[in-house]
Amino acid sequence: AQTVTQSQPEMSVQEAETVTLSCTYDTSESDYYLFWYKQPPSRQMILVIRQEAYKQQNATENRFSVNFQKAAKSFSLKISDSQLGDAAMYFCAYRNIGSGNTGKLIFGQGTTLQVKP
Amino acid sequence: DVKVTQSSRYLVKRTGEKVFLECVQDMDHENMFWYRQDPGLGLRLIYFSYDVKMKEKGDIPEGYSVSREKKERFSLILESASTNQTSMYLCASSFGGLGNQPQHFGDGTRLSIL
Repeated sequence: AQTVTQSQPEMSVQEAETVTLSCTYDTSESDYYLFWYKQPPSRQMILVIRQEAYKQQNATENRFSVNFQKAAKSFSLKISDSQLGDAAMYFCAYRNIGSGNTGKLIFGQGTTLQVKP
Repeated sequence: DVKVTQSSRYLVKRTGEKVFLECVQDMDHENMFWYRQDPGLGLRLIYFSYDVKMKEKGDIPEGYSVSREKKERFSLILESASTNQTSMYLCASSFGGLGNQPQHFGDGTRLSIL
């Protein structure tokens, strides 16, 4: 069974600085998707960024980028120029591609990010 | 924009009660999901549905059931609520197929069982 591990329960960053959140996963599959979701204090979870495992190029969305290391099964999220609005819980998630795929996600434990002014 | 609406933000019930949590999505998504979120455990999948009247167990289905009579609505049922079911419950939906479609989440229901 696939698992996702976020080993940092809490992180903090100074406003305007850069922070990296870690995520590792375990799978025997070769094709899959990886996601980072953000859950602000208002609680609605929103998608931050996604990565297809077959793509070597790391995904980027404005100030958010990932470092995808397929061999190491690592998928970290880098937030540049941190803003107060980035304060949230961040979840890493994994999804299989394959027969019978139903879009089921496997989530990590989450990392709470604090942004200091 | 996709909207996933959960019927209650906060709910307080007593042990032994039958509890219904409702979720409605407005984007004609095939897939719908129920998760519970607990500190240090992340989100754990309770049940999901990939079509009307279809359902599959997730990782922690014990004590729960679901109903999907219409495509837009997915209900989670606690047959006989217990205190260990006190948690945050999140509903999500997504398109079907093999693409990288993200899941869209509701605001969550904070359920307390007394």
